[in-house]
Parts: sequence; C-alpha cells; structure tokens
Amino acid sequence: QVHLVQSGAVVTKPGASVKVSCKAAGNTIANHGFTWVRHAPGQGLEWMGWVSGYDGHTNYAQDVQDRITMTTDTSTSTAFMELRTLRSDDTAMYYCATTSPYSPRNPSDFWGQGTMVIVSS
Amino acid sequence: ELVLTQSPGTLSLSPGERATLSCRASQSVSSSDLAWYQKKPGQAPRLLIYDVSRRATGIPDRFSGSGSGTDFTLTISRLEPEDFAVFYCQHYGSSPLTFGGGTKVEVK
Repeated sequence: QVHLVQSGAVVTKPGASVKVSCKAAGNTIANHGFTWVRHAPGQGLEWMGWVSGYDGHTNYAQDVQDRITMTTDTSTSTAFMELRTLRSDDTAMYYCATTSPYSPRNPSDFWGQGTMVIVSS
Repeated sequence: ELVLTQSPGTLSLSPGERATLSCRASQSVSSSDLAWYQKKPGQAPRLLIYDVSRRATGIPDRFSGSGSGTDFTLTISRLEPEDFAVFYCQHYGSSPLTFGGGTKVEVK
C-alpha cells in the first residue's frame, strides 16, 4: 500500500511552466515507478508518461515529449512532472500513480488525489 | 499506437442488473496486457482488473474481466449503487500506453 499526496491546484498563463509533485508516504520511492495521467474536462484519460523511482529512466507520450520532464527525488520520496510552454488545452486534472519501477508497461495501482492545472490568459 | 474503442458510450441500468462493457483494440493486445479502471467525479481512477481478468486488491468479485486478442469485456454481475461511474480500459503492452474513450454506467 502506497499513499500518494500531490501538490495543490495551479492557475497559470499560456506559455508558462508548471511542476507538479507527488510524495509517496510509507514506502521507499525506489520500489516504484510513477505514471502520470491527465483528465481534461469532458475528455477521457490520457497517459503522459512514466518515470522510474529506481533508476530515473523515463518514457514519454509522443504528444508531449518535447515539453515534459519527469523526475524523482529519493531523499524526499517525491516524483515530479514538469510541463512547459503551457496551452489552454493543457487544462486538466493531473494524476500520479504507482507502477513497476522497471518498465512503463504495467497497470497503475495506487493513485494520488490529483492536481488541477488551469491554463488561462 | 494501439487504439482502444469502448462501447457503448453510455449504459443505462438499474441497481441489481448486469452490466457488460466492451473494449475493442485496433490490433492484438500482447501478453494479456489489458486493465480496467473505474472513475467517479472528483475521485482518482481506481484499478479494477489487470492482465485481462485478474481483480486488483480489494475489488469485489461482482467485477470480472475476460477476452483475448482484440476483444475484451468487463462484466459487473449485479450493479450496486456505488458502481455507477465511468469505466476505462487501458492497454499496457507497449508504449505509448493508451486508454479507451470510456463507458458511462448511469442509473436508469
């Protein structure tokens, strides 16, 4: 069992960057990989990518790979997702979830509560 | 990229009824790498089924998954009031992982 706590909601402008954190309580981050999924209003779920808490390897969705960076900090048991050059269609709830530390090709079992990111001029 | 198509878009049923949700893949899903999630408004997705038919920890046995190749099914044997939600299938056999568009199960 892993309890994930995400950072708070963000309202920002087009062209800015956002960095969302996901702190894992009760377990060492090296035992997990972290998937990031977003849910835009009225849309379905979208997989954005994966980062390994074990070795920092990443795998990103092609649609965002030029604008996204996923990292982990083992000292604070926290995973991060930074999205740059934000557009209005990046407005969504962003979720982190745990998965395998060795490969993105696994289901996501424990989820954070979500972080709302609103991009508006 | 593997595309998942879910049907129907909306299923209107009463508590106690059986729900059958479909997920069709654009190409064969390798190694049974298919999951189902439940999503309620204001809540994070919840993993229900993985590896096509394995229930995640704590998931009641009224939820079951089946299928192979390109056609998969989530069945809820008897709907409970707390089951009404949107359900998504996901393949994870190759990157990028993709989700289906979702099926909303609503109260009739």
